[in-house]
Amino acid sequence: QSALTQPASVSGSPGQSITISCTGTSSDVGGYNYVSWYQQHPGKAPKLMIYEVSNRPSGVSNRFSGSKSGNTASLTISGLQAEDEADYYCSSYTSSTTPVVFGGGTKLTVL
Amino acid sequence: QVQVVQSGAEVKKPGASVKVSCKASGYTFTGYYMHWVRQAPGQGLEWMGWINPDSGGTNYAQKFQGRVTMTRDTSISTAYMELSRLRSDDTAVYYCARGFGSGHSGRVYFDYWGQGTLVTVSS
Repeated sequence: QSALTQPASVSGSPGQSITISCTGTSSDVGGYNYVSWYQQHPGKAPKLMIYEVSNRPSGVSNRFSGSKSGNTASLTISGLQAEDEADYYCSSYTSSTTPVVFGGGTKLTVL
Repeated sequence: QVQVVQSGAEVKKPGASVKVSCKASGYTFTGYYMHWVRQAPGQGLEWMGWINPDSGGTNYAQKFQGRVTMTRDTSISTAYMELSRLRSDDTAVYYCARGFGSGHSGRVYFDYWGQGTLVTVSS
C-alpha cells in the first residue's frame, strides 16, 4: 500500500480540465511544501512536472498547475490534449525514516 | 546536454545479487545527488535511496536497509546500485534519477532519469 493516496483513474475530453488528488498526512503532504508530480508514458521514464507544490520546471507547459490544501495536494491539467494521456504520480518528502514517498499513481485517459 | 545512461537488462536467480550502473554526462557529476527508484511490472514508483556523489554519503529507504548498497566512481561519472539476496518480488525496472537542484530539493525531486534497467529474478 502506497503512503500517498491517489485515484486509480481519471478521464476527460480534449480541451477540458481535470484534477488529480494526492492525500497524505501531516507527516508528509500536510507538513511540508515538498510535493512533486511526475508524468509517465507507457514504457518511458517519469518526467518531473511540478515541484514544491506548484512550481513548474523549465519546459513544462503552463497547462499543468499544482496546489495544496491541508493534507491533500492536487494536480490540475487544463486544456486537455491527447498527449497528456499517461500515468501521474505524486511524491512528497516525509519525516519518517524513508524520506521520499510516492502515491500509487493515477491513469489519465483523454476520451 | 544532460544524459543518464544505465546498464542493460539482467536476469538473476533468487538469492543472487545484481549491480546496476548509471553513467552521467553533460553536467558536473559531483554537484547533484543521484537517486534510485524502482517500478515493479504494472505497479507504481518506489524510492530506494540516494547517494551524494561528492561525499559518497547515502540514505536508503528503510525497506531496503541491509540489502542495498549505492556507490559511485567519480573518475568515470558513474553511480551504482547493488541489491543483494534477490527475491522474485524484486523483479522490476530500476531507474537512476538525478536530484533536481541543490540542497534539500536535490534530495526529494528528480529531473533527469535514466532509461531504466529491467531486473528479472527467476529460478
